Amino acid sequence: AIRMTQSPSSFSASTGDRVTITCRASQGISSYLAWYQQKPGKAPKLLIYAASTLQSGVPSRFSGSGSGTDFTLTISCLQSEDFATYYCQQYYSYPLAFGQGTRLEIK
Amino acid sequence: QVQLVQSGAEVKKPGASVKVSCKVSGYTLTELSMHWVRQAPGKGLEWMGGFDPEDGETIYAQKFQGRVTMTEDTSTDTAYMELSSLRSEDTAVYYCATLWNKGNWGQGTLVTVSS
Repeated sequence: AIRMTQSPSSFSASTGDRVTITCRASQGISSYLAWYQQKPGKAPKLLIYAASTLQSGVPSRFSGSGSGTDFTLTISCLQSEDFATYYCQQYYSYPLAFGQGTRLEIK
Repeated sequence: QVQLVQSGAEVKKPGASVKVSCKVSGYTLTELSMHWVRQAPGKGLEWMGGFDPEDGETIYAQKFQGRVTMTEDTSTDTAYMELSSLRSEDTAVYYCATLWNKGNWGQGTLVTVSS
């Protein structure tokens, strides 16, 4: 089974900052990677699929890159509504797998 | 616009079973590949299983093999997830979701397992 590892597990940032979250797959997954945002008490929301394709309606300050085993989610200019937990998920092969999550907090 | 509406919260005793429903609107169930994901309190997302359109089969995570059954009623566009032999560790919010394909999620169903 493919394992997904995110880093960092949590960190603090300020509004306006540029932040990057990393996701690493235990084996190559081409570009079969999605990113989700989850706020407390809510269902996750799809941000990016195919590693770099922005889901409809998602602000352009979010971007994704990478292929193979190493991926990044970048938020170019943090807004207050971006403080949440972020998950990566591979869909290259079954069983599907999520990263453990990255909690982004306000500094 | 796809909408997924799940059944309400459940409280079950250890050893019992629970069946969660997920009603689809905006699309037919046959146009979607439905997955089920759970999230224990304060924990991350855990994939339980889902439909693989390439094989035309439902695939379950090994952890839940033998305890979980995912079914679909195409006449009502409703997906179901049944989990048996419940234990306290199964206390979680259970989601139906299309994941990367259209990115739709149900609102979640809290299942509490307690004696």
